[in-house]
Amino acid sequence: DAGVIQSPRHEVTEMGQEVTLRCKPISGHNSLFWYRQTMMRGLELLIYFNNNVPIDDSGMPEDRFSAKMPNASFSTLKIQPSEPRDSAVYFCASSFVSGQPYEQYFGPGTRLTVT
Amino acid sequence: AQSVTQPDIHITVSEGASLELRCNYSYGATPYLFWYVQSPGQGLQLLLKYFSGDTLVQGIKGFEAEFKRSQSSFNLRKPSVHWSDAAEYFCAVGMDSSYKLIFGSGTRLLVRP
Repeated sequence: DAGVIQSPRHEVTEMGQEVTLRCKPISGHNSLFWYRQTMMRGLELLIYFNNNVPIDDSGMPEDRFSAKMPNASFSTLKIQPSEPRDSAVYFCASSFVSGQPYEQYFGPGTRLTVT
Repeated sequence: AQSVTQPDIHITVSEGASLELRCNYSYGATPYLFWYVQSPGQGLQLLLKYFSGDTLVQGIKGFEAEFKRSQSSFNLRKPSVHWSDAAEYFCAVGMDSSYKLIFGSGTRLLVRP
């Protein structure tokens, strides 16, 4: 299995621009998680989906952030407009969940720099 | 509220020495426990997990961890550290009826030659 795939691996953009991060989860997994990692705040859960449905988006920082999962094999995290404080590494993780927590498998991350 | 504490931000050990990374959790019932490792520029990789049964669990790369209910701990150990073990280590806890994992703040391991 190829594991969780994220693209792009690096993104540099200017403040005010729209940024779209992409994730392909492991085939057969039914849950998908978006995390943000910074030195100051550590690893933060932004949103998670189960069977393509957003279950908890309480970690999404503000309305500038949105996430979608149109099908079981693809998800996007969009920031519009981007700000310098959004600079971080964004991870996607997937899992097969059936009534109890299971291990999550992480992608390599997207390093976002907003100037 | 449920929480995970990794009291050591940094740990430095000499290559070949033994290692123990501490993890304490706060949760009323039996938790699901995980250790992950993150090498520079990489995502998190699962080292081992505990769900039930034998409280000493073996993982990849020669790591093991022991669940101690009385101490609410799940410490990670390795008898002999290799230079390639230098990385950041995260403890995480999962709870019944939730998909979420709660991650600790991480411990950065440095290995002296």
